Amino acid sequence: EVQLLESGGGLVQPGESLRLSCAASGFSVSSYAMSWVRQAPGKGLEWLSSLDYSGANTYYAGSVKGRFTISRDNSKNTLSLQMNSLRAEDTAIYYCAKAGTKTTRTPLLYFDFWGQGTLVTVSA
Amino acid sequence: SYELTQSPSVSVSAGQTASITCSGDKLGNKYACWYRQRAGQSPELVMFQRDERPSGIPERFSGSSSGDTATLTISGTQPMDEADYYCQAWDSSTEVVFGGGTKLTVL
Repeated sequence: EVQLLESGGGLVQPGESLRLSCAASGFSVSSYAMSWVRQAPGKGLEWLSSLDYSGANTYYAGSVKGRFTISRDNSKNTLSLQMNSLRAEDTAIYYCAKAGTKTTRTPLLYFDFWGQGTLVTVSA
Repeated sequence: SYELTQSPSVSVSAGQTASITCSGDKLGNKYACWYRQRAGQSPELVMFQRDERPSGIPERFSGSSSGDTATLTISGTQPMDEADYYCQAWDSSTEVVFGGGTKLTVL
C-alpha cells in the first residue's frame, strides 16, 4: 500500500527557514517523479517543485525558485523540501505527491497518491 | 504562462448528472486529469490522461476533452461526491498547472 507522510511543518517568522520531509512507503521514490504542492488557507492547489525519477532533474514554480530546494534520500525513501527566506504568503498546507510517471515534464503527468499534508505558518 | 479556468461552483440534485468543466488553450490536445478534495482531506485522483479512471473510482465518473475544454462528468451524483474538484495539466511554459477548483454541491 502506497503511503506518504509529511512532517516538519510549523510556525516560523518571515525570513526564516524550514525543512519539510515526506516519508514514502509501498514504492521507491527513485522509481517515480515526486512533487510538492501547497494549498493556502481557503485557496486552490499550487504546484511548487518536482524531482524526476533519476534525481538528476528538478523543476520549480516561479514563486519559489531560488528560495526552495527539492531533494530526496533514496536510502531512507524520503523526499524533502528546504524552504528559505519564508514569507507570509508561503503560509499553506504542503502536500507531497507521487507522480504516476517517471518525470513531471510530460503531458501524461498525473499525481496518483498524496500525503495528508503539513501546515506551514509564516507570521511575525 | 498557461492557465486553466474552472467555474467556482456547480450545484446538482442527487441522482442527476454533474458536469465540471476546465478550460485552457488547446486543452483538448493535452492530457487533463482531475482531483477530488473532500472537506478537510487531501486531494484524490479521480481521472487521469483525459478519460482513465484509477482503481476504486466508480464508473459513474467519466472524463472527456475537446478543443479548449476538458469535462469531468459524474452520473447519478451522490451526496458523497460533494467536494472541490481540480483539473490539472502540464504545459512546457508553466510545468504543472492546476485549475482554480470547482465546488460541487449536491442538493
